Amino acid sequence: GESVGLHLPTLSVQEGDNSIINCAYSNSASDYFIWYKQESGKGPQFIIDIRSNMDKRQGQRVTVLLNKTVKHLSLQIAATQPGDSAVYFCAETASNDYKLSFGAGTTVTVRA
Amino acid sequence: KAGVTQTPRYLIKTRGQQVTLSCSPISGHRSVSWYQQTPGQGLQFLFEYFSETQRNKGNFPGRFSGRQFSNSRSEMNVSTLELGDSALYLCASSFRGSSYEQYFGPGTRLTVT
Repeated sequence: GESVGLHLPTLSVQEGDNSIINCAYSNSASDYFIWYKQESGKGPQFIIDIRSNMDKRQGQRVTVLLNKTVKHLSLQIAATQPGDSAVYFCAETASNDYKLSFGAGTTVTVRA
Repeated sequence: KAGVTQTPRYLIKTRGQQVTLSCSPISGHRSVSWYQQTPGQGLQFLFEYFSETQRNKGNFPGRFSGRQFSNSRSEMNVSTLELGDSALYLCASSFRGSSYEQYFGPGTRLTVT
């Protein structure tokens, strides 16, 4: 079968390297997925989103991949910087559900 | 555009008291959602309002309630506070709802003693 990245609660990355954060979602009916970044003392900040009719979307230094077959979502951060240190959450929702369901979060620490 | 604002930012209450938290969404946004964030349970959905109507409610006891006003501002109320209600309460606004970009406020840190 296809290998799926495991969700890790923490990730330590060398500055300048690429980061990959994984998330498994639970609802097959979910059709909209979002990644958020939360820094200490702040609310979650929108990073990038993707709808279920896509399998990849790119932003500035970030890429989100969606694998609906295995219900897996990943966030790739290119050339990780110290300012990327934060907790990253994936969230899912289905049309007309009117709520976001969040994953457990991954704490990313960037080493200088 | 100004972001989502929440007041107060910090609050300390005693068990048995009640509390009201306020959220002002981004101008033009008609959907407001509330979430509770704790170290143990993570981010959990409380309720969502659109044009003064509650469209969804999470699995929280009836002590948790909310409302939305005609200007889209929202309040949530927690009655008979318990120690376990200590959390960061986050408000998020969106143009239409959770299937569109939601923007979060900084949260209200509630401590129940």
